[in-house]
Amino acid sequence: TQLLEQSPQFLSIQEGENLTVYCNSSSVFSSLQWYRQEPGEGPVLLVTVVTGGEVKKLKRLTFQFGDARKDSSLHITAAQPGDTGLYLCAGGPSSSNTGKLIFGQGTTLQVKP
Amino acid sequence: DAGVIQSPRHEVTEMGQEVTLRCKPISGHNSLFWYRQTMMRGLELLIYFNNNVPIDDSGMPEDRFSAKMPNASFSTLKIQPSEPRDSAVYFCASSSLRLAGGPSSYEQYFGPGTRLTVT
Repeated sequence: TQLLEQSPQFLSIQEGENLTVYCNSSSVFSSLQWYRQEPGEGPVLLVTVVTGGEVKKLKRLTFQFGDARKDSSLHITAAQPGDTGLYLCAGGPSSSNTGKLIFGQGTTLQVKP
Repeated sequence: DAGVIQSPRHEVTEMGQEVTLRCKPISGHNSLFWYRQTMMRGLELLIYFNNNVPIDDSGMPEDRFSAKMPNASFSTLKIQPSEPRDSAVYFCASSSLRLAGGPSSYEQYFGPGTRLTVT
């Protein structure tokens, strides 16, 4: 069974600080997505990475896919209260082509003003 | 474009009652997924459809749960009879996926969810 482990599970920081969230697996994924979920809403897709070593930037957010396509990281620079939410990574298994996504357990981020 | 639409947004029912959750996927998407989210277990995939056909229902917890997709623009998730442990937020998501040949897109777009409370 393929698993994605996210760390940390909880993170509480002050506005302006930097942070990194990690998503790790022993399995290879064909692609990896990052989602953000705010209270009372569904997860919203932030980015998809598909190539080993790929780096994508979305304003203050930087996403990286590991060279071996087994892990990913999300780095937020100068966090703001609006970044508060649950961050989920999700991988598309390379061993099958079913459309199923494997989700990590999530990282709850709180950014205090 | 309208996103994934779910109804109702909130449902409160008594144990033993039948509950039906509804989902309208994004037009043109050919895959639909039902998830359940709780604090304890996180986001769990219950079942998904491709071209209206159920592909994987291994996540459906019990026979009390059933799902249908009679056409490309509508799906239901039914719980009968409901139990307090079914209380959770249920999400529907859709994506456009090709199963046969070529690269596949695994990006999923979620609805706002239905918060179910069974007392």
